[in-house]
Amino acid sequence: GQQLNQSPQSMFIQEGEDVSMNCTSSSIFNTWLWYKQDPGEGPVLLIALYKAGELTSNGRLTAQFGTTRKDSFLNISASIPSDVGIYFCAGQRTSYDKVIFGPGTSLSVIP
Amino acid sequence: DGGITQSPKYLFRKEGQNVTLSCEQNLNHDAMYWYRQDPGQGLRLIYYSQIVNDFQKGDIAEGYSVSREKKESFPLTVTSAQKNPTAFYLCASRRMQGASDTQYFGPGTRLTVL
Repeated sequence: GQQLNQSPQSMFIQEGEDVSMNCTSSSIFNTWLWYKQDPGEGPVLLIALYKAGELTSNGRLTAQFGTTRKDSFLNISASIPSDVGIYFCAGQRTSYDKVIFGPGTSLSVIP
Repeated sequence: DGGITQSPKYLFRKEGQNVTLSCEQNLNHDAMYWYRQDPGQGLRLIYYSQIVNDFQKGDIAEGYSVSREKKESFPLTVTSAQKNPTAFYLCASRRMQGASDTQYFGPGTRLTVL
């Protein structure tokens, strides 16, 4: 079946540093989604991308829909302690398909 | 207040008992989903439903059952046949009317089987 790979698997960074993570697929997706999960909570949608090459920001977060449609990237600028959590990417081919989730990137921020 | 509600937040059961987890949404979403998450792991799809009175197995359906009698409700039963039921269970829903209809999650239920 379809699989998504996320890298890195985990990150430990100093507060104030920028963060980059990516998500790759062997299949083409027409929608890319990025979610953040706080400990013990459900994932919350951060950014949705619908067009190849699209670059979208949400505060300090910026995500890009790769031009090959097989990858997506998430950047967090000037990290703060509340950025701690697991970041999941997800892809979808059409509106009728299931959403496929990556395994997640765990982010820890050292104050 | 619109959204997806899951209750209870924490649930304890004895081994061998069936238990039903609740998921309700008032977003008028068409599709609903159940995922299981184990510590340090990603999300694994248990069951999903795209329309009332119809549902499909996900990747790990064995030991679970669902029903979709109403559009807003999608309860999950963890049966005694599920060998390792202790986990964090997440419900999600989405509209399915266009490419921009994204999936939203509930707050989750942590099930512990003693």
